[in-house]
Amino acid sequence: GNSVTQMEGPVTLSEEAFLTINCTYTATGYPSLFWYVQYPGEGLQLLLKATKADDKGSNKGFEATYRKETTSFHLEKGSVQVSDSAVYFCALSDRTNAGKSTFGDGTTLTVKP
Amino acid sequence: GAGVSQTPSNKVTEKGKYVELRCDPISGHTALYWYRQSLGQGPEFLIYFQGTGAADDSGLPNDRFFAVRPEGSVSTLKIQRTERGDSAVYLCASSLRGGPGETQYFGPGTRLLVL
Repeated sequence: GNSVTQMEGPVTLSEEAFLTINCTYTATGYPSLFWYVQYPGEGLQLLLKATKADDKGSNKGFEATYRKETTSFHLEKGSVQVSDSAVYFCALSDRTNAGKSTFGDGTTLTVKP
Repeated sequence: GAGVSQTPSNKVTEKGKYVELRCDPISGHTALYWYRQSLGQGPEFLIYFQGTGAADDSGLPNDRFFAVRPEGSVSTLKIQRTERGDSAVYLCASSLRGGPGETQYFGPGTRLLVL
């Protein structure tokens, strides 16, 4: 079955540091890949997505590239802010099970001023 | 516009009781999903509706769990004979048509505690 493995947290960075959160996946066929974010006290919301190999999703300074050869979708940001402190979830959905998204366990990011 | 709403936001019940959790999706979204999130874990798929019908219920853990969406809009997740292990946050999401690359819009969740 499908699975998503995320870098274990928590991750603590200083403001303006470079962020990478690793995500690798196992899926049948060619899934769509997502990063969701959950800010403190709020619900899950989409951060970015990529629907085919070599696509790059980007939003709010975050980027992730769909790498089919390494089955990865690592999240990066060049300079984090305190307001980026949140839990980040990597997820996939595949064409044979369109409604069923599979999520990683989440990575908690804390950015200190 | 209004997002996905869920009621109640919190529910405390006793072991063995019956509970209903409600989800009101974004207007016009035909696809609706239920997930369960335990502490420290990612959301776990339960069931997916396309319109009024359950297109995939493979994530329901056992026959104590049941969900309906009779008019293709609001959905209710029903849990019979609740157990302490059912304690979790139950998330609902909706998307426009339910395709694999579509964005799912999540509600704030219902936090269920079974004593």
